[in-house]
Amino acid sequence: EVQLLESGGGVGQPGGSLRLSCAASGFTFSSYGMSWVRQAPGKGLEWVSAISGSGFNTNYADSVKGRFTISRDNSNNRLYLQMNSLRAEDTAVYYCAKVGRDNGDYWYFDLWGRGTLVTVSS
Amino acid sequence: EIVLTQSPATLSLSPGERATLSCRASQSVSRYLVWYQQKPGQAPRLLIYDSSNRATGIPARFSGSGSGTDFTLTISSLEPEDFAVYYCQHRSSWPLSFGGGTTVEIK
Repeated sequence: EVQLLESGGGVGQPGGSLRLSCAASGFTFSSYGMSWVRQAPGKGLEWVSAISGSGFNTNYADSVKGRFTISRDNSNNRLYLQMNSLRAEDTAVYYCAKVGRDNGDYWYFDLWGRGTLVTVSS
Repeated sequence: EIVLTQSPATLSLSPGERATLSCRASQSVSRYLVWYQQKPGQAPRLLIYDSSNRATGIPARFSGSGSGTDFTLTISSLEPEDFAVYYCQHRSSWPLSFGGGTTVEIK
C-alpha cells in the first residue's frame, strides 16, 4: 500500500528541539522529492521545506530557515525534519508529502501522511 | 515570494449548485498552480495540478483554468461530499506557497 506515516510529534519547549520522521512505503522513495507542510490549529496550510529525491537539493520557508533541517535516508525510505530553536508559532500539525511525479521538479503533492502534532509550550 | 490570494473566503451554496473559486497570484506563476481539498481532521487531497489537469480519481465535476496570475477552480454541481476547504498552491519558484483557503459550506 502506498502510504506515508509521520511520527515524532509532541510537546517541545521554546528554544528546544524535536525531530520528526516520515516512513514511506509502496513506491520507489528515492525517485521522488518530498516535502513538509504544516497547519497551525484552525489555520491554513504553510509549506515548510522540500528535498529532492537524491537529497542533494533542499529548500526552506523563510520562517524556518536556519532553524529546521530536512533530510532523507533513501536506504530506509525515511524523511526527517530536525526542528531546533522552537518557537510558539511552530505549533502545528506537520504533514509529510510526496511530489506528484518522479525524477523532476514537479512540486505538487499527490500523497500526504496523516500528520503529527507539534506543540511548543513551556 | 509569491503571495496567493483566494476569494471568497467562504462560499455558501446548496447541493447541485455550481461553485467558482478564485486564486490570484502576486506575480505570474505561468500554469504552475495546484488545487487541494481538505476536510476536517483529514490531510489535503490533490485535485488539480498545473492549472487544469485533474489528479487520478478526481471526478469530472472538478475543473481548473487560468494562467499567469488568475486561476479558477469550478465544481460544476456540488455533491454533499464536496463541502470542504479548498487551497491553491503554486510551484513556480522557491519558496512554494499556499493560498489562505476558501471554505465551501452548505447554505
